[in-house]
Amino acid sequence: EVQLEQSGAEIKKSGESLRISCKVFGDRFGNNWIAWVRQKPGKGLEWMGIIYPSDSDTRYSPSFQGQVSISVDRSISTAYLQWSTLKASDTAMYYCARRGLLGSYAFDVWGQGTLITVSP
Amino acid sequence: SSELTQDSAVSVALGQTVRITCQGDSLRNYYVTWYQQKPGQAPILVMYGKNNRPSGIPDRFSGSSSGNTASLTITGALAEDEADYYCSSRDNSADHYVFGAGTAVTVL
Repeated sequence: EVQLEQSGAEIKKSGESLRISCKVFGDRFGNNWIAWVRQKPGKGLEWMGIIYPSDSDTRYSPSFQGQVSISVDRSISTAYLQWSTLKASDTAMYYCARRGLLGSYAFDVWGQGTLITVSP
Repeated sequence: SSELTQDSAVSVALGQTVRITCQGDSLRNYYVTWYQQKPGQAPILVMYGKNNRPSGIPDRFSGSSSGNTASLTITGALAEDEADYYCSSRDNSADHYVFGAGTAVTVL
């Protein structure tokens, strides 16, 4: 069974940096795209970006381009979402998700989410 | 970038049928994907491709699409189907993705 295990909740201050992780279990890490999705409190899902672990090919939503960085460490089957300068508006739940169904653009396995709280 | 439009909320009587719709230009080129999210939980995939249900999703969930509009139908809704439902597709431009704003389904 494929599982995506995300790092724990974080409480940070505005201006600080942060990297959260998404470790993939039960899957050949390089073969499936991994996406990041933001959900602000009480709001809907927002697609942030996606990475192909095999070659680190990365695409960003225009809304998040330059605001975050997505990367992988293939040696430990882990994807990362990183901020260099957090803002209070980054307070949200962040999910990683696998695009794992051949021929489909669906995200079939999701992490449990990482709650990020940024104080002003 | 493309946008997907959903009704904000719908309600259905227990055991009845409800249809959730999603409209967007990208649906003319790409299949819609549907996700279910219950409070405090991560989203789960309930429908993808032409009309495909992942393993474990009951067959009371079905999907359809025509032109720029896609629908997720729950036939014989149960209390456990009360949730937010999001549609999604690949964007028309580049390898990007877009989500609808979500539809809150209430089972009465």
